[in-house]
Amino acid sequence: GEDVEQSLFLSVREGDSSVINCTYTDSSSTYLYWYKQEPGAGLQLLTYIFSNMDMKQDQRLTVLLNKKDKHLSLRIADTQTGDSAIYFCAESYNNNDMRFGAGTRLTVKP
Amino acid sequence: GAVVSQHPSWVICKSGTSVKIECRSLDFQATTMFWYRQFPKQSLMLMATSNEGSKATYEQGVEKDKFLINHASLTLSTLTVTSAHPEDSSFYICSAMGQDLQPQHFGDGTRLSIL
Repeated sequence: GEDVEQSLFLSVREGDSSVINCTYTDSSSTYLYWYKQEPGAGLQLLTYIFSNMDMKQDQRLTVLLNKKDKHLSLRIADTQTGDSAIYFCAESYNNNDMRFGAGTRLTVKP
Repeated sequence: GAVVSQHPSWVICKSGTSVKIECRSLDFQATTMFWYRQFPKQSLMLMATSNEGSKATYEQGVEKDKFLINHASLTLSTLTVTSAHPEDSSFYICSAMGQDLQPQHFGDGTRLSIL
């Protein structure tokens, strides 16, 4: 089946930028998402991008999409300890059938 | 923004008990609701998709008689784990999508522990 892959761990120092990478295989993906999950909680939609876009910026978050390479990244500027969480990359064609990556655990050290 | 409320957040019960989990969309009408299961340190696994007023569509390998889903209104879907056993212990998360077809909004999840 179609896959979404992302690295499992990322550790950064407070104040640095974090970059979380994701690759997917389904060329028909229309929506690409980043969700944040804090311990014991559900998923919080951070941002999403349409496949016809290259970049989307929202405050400290920047999403870059390389559709040719099927590569998606999330950059968090000025990372804070409150950003420590698991970040899930996901994709879908129509917001219905979503496929999630395994999640990247971001640890922010003071 | 859109809010999805899920209850209970944590439940512990004895083996053989049936447990009902509720998922409500608080400020929008959810034409479609989704139920996921998440094992520790793993991603979300879609269990079933339910549309208001119709039977749920279950993913392959998910037992329909074990996990009963009811989506009786545009703001409420329930998942009942029938005759729960320890292997059903997991984190269950619901999500909802409105008529505007915007991305799914997730509840805070229910941690189910079967003793």
